[in-house]
Amino acid sequence: AQKITQTQPGMFVQEKEAVTLDCTYDTSDPSYGLFWYKQPSSGEMIFLIYQGSYDQQNATEGRYSLNFQKARKSANLVISASQLGDSAMYFCAITNFGNEKLTFGTGTRLTIIP
Amino acid sequence: DSGVTQTPKHLITATGQRVTLRCSPRSGDLSVYWYQQSLDQGLQFLIQYYNGEERAKGNILERFSAQQFPDLHSELNLSSLELGDSALYFCASSVAGGTIGSTDTQYFGPGTRLTVL
Repeated sequence: AQKITQTQPGMFVQEKEAVTLDCTYDTSDPSYGLFWYKQPSSGEMIFLIYQGSYDQQNATEGRYSLNFQKARKSANLVISASQLGDSAMYFCAITNFGNEKLTFGTGTRLTIIP
Repeated sequence: DSGVTQTPKHLITATGQRVTLRCSPRSGDLSVYWYQQSLDQGLQFLIQYYNGEERAKGNILERFSAQQFPDLHSELNLSSLELGDSALYFCASSVAGGTIGSTDTQYFGPGTRLTVL
């Protein structure tokens, strides 16, 4: 069974600062993928970034980067130079290769303060 | 815009009723997934279809059923509705559906918010 743990239910960050959202995972499968999604107050789920278990480099997508520490089973999302539009719920999720269902964490509500 | 469409956006109905939620995947995507998001259960995987065939099943109640049609759109049917079925139902799609050695990103539709009164 897979499990995602997000220990920060809410965070407040000053605009333009960097923010790290924590995610730890548990899986017995050596082949897996980790995802981060953003859910604004409007409700849609927006894909942000992906990291595969065999990827050597940490994933980056614009202002988003994933701090992947395999030995610690953590996949923290780093948002650089935060903006007001980054205020949203953020979900970490895991899937095993060949079994495509996503298992989500409970999410972190990020609020950017002007 | 993810390219995944869902209708209706909102649905209000009474207990005991039956509803159908519709999803059209992104162009070229063969897999469709259904997820339920509720306050008490969080985001939960319900079911996956790949090219018309059921591929994986999650925590889907027997009162719920789904199918994927030849044009790849999918419908989720919810029957004998209960108050606890009130939730946001998401459809997601991906290119394939479980390629050994990799995984595909799932892109989500805007969701259907179901309210059971």
